[in-house]
Amino acid sequence: RKEVEQDPGPFNVPEGATVAFNCTYSNSASQSFFWYRQDCRKEPKLLMSVYSSGNEDGRFTAQLNRASQYISLLIRDSKLSDSATYLCVVNIGGYGGSQGNLIFGKGTKLSVKP
Amino acid sequence: DAGVTQSPTHLIKTRGQQVTLRCSPKSGHDTVSWYQQALGQGPQFIFQYYEEEERQRGNFPDRFSGHQFPNYSSELNVNALLLGDSALYLCASSSYMTTQPQHFGDGTRLSIL
Repeated sequence: RKEVEQDPGPFNVPEGATVAFNCTYSNSASQSFFWYRQDCRKEPKLLMSVYSSGNEDGRFTAQLNRASQYISLLIRDSKLSDSATYLCVVNIGGYGGSQGNLIFGKGTKLSVKP
Repeated sequence: DAGVTQSPTHLIKTRGQQVTLRCSPKSGHDTVSWYQQALGQGPQFIFQYYEEEERQRGNFPDRFSGHQFPNYSSELNVNALLLGDSALYLCASSSYMTTQPQHFGDGTRLSIL
């Protein structure tokens, strides 16, 4: 079983649509969770951290279910500029309090059409 | 405030050659992590450096080695290049004693012919 699994998509949605991405992780010792966004041939950029209580940043809402080892990202009112690959990322925890290495899913590709 | 900078941006090598990639962390960061991203895949962790020592290592062979300098910058060295080493190599920096997210550089795109 892969450490972090995501539906690769692509998700093709019209502008204004609501779209949800899901992700599961295998290591129950995982400590931190993130969604990164990656545009074509660019570096990953942090979209948001994910907390057990759930968190929202504008049109983006992230949820974490530790019992089910499941993470989600909801994008409301999709914009053309939201087109990208969304990477689910888990941190197992590292040495001496450091963040440690990040475990990435393969990413889910989103394409928002006019 | 300079972010993470990597050089070169692109590189073409042939099988069997050796390559060195460079990374300067974001100002205020002391930890550098290296990742390999093959086409269509998520980044995979290679190793992490802090205080000039390798602190963690992913599942990569000994052909992959690194170094961190007193100014926190880092190098990734790959020996005996294989076709399968063709990928985007990403450097990420962070502060060791925090849990703040890592910041990524633009990457070096390495092509092996």
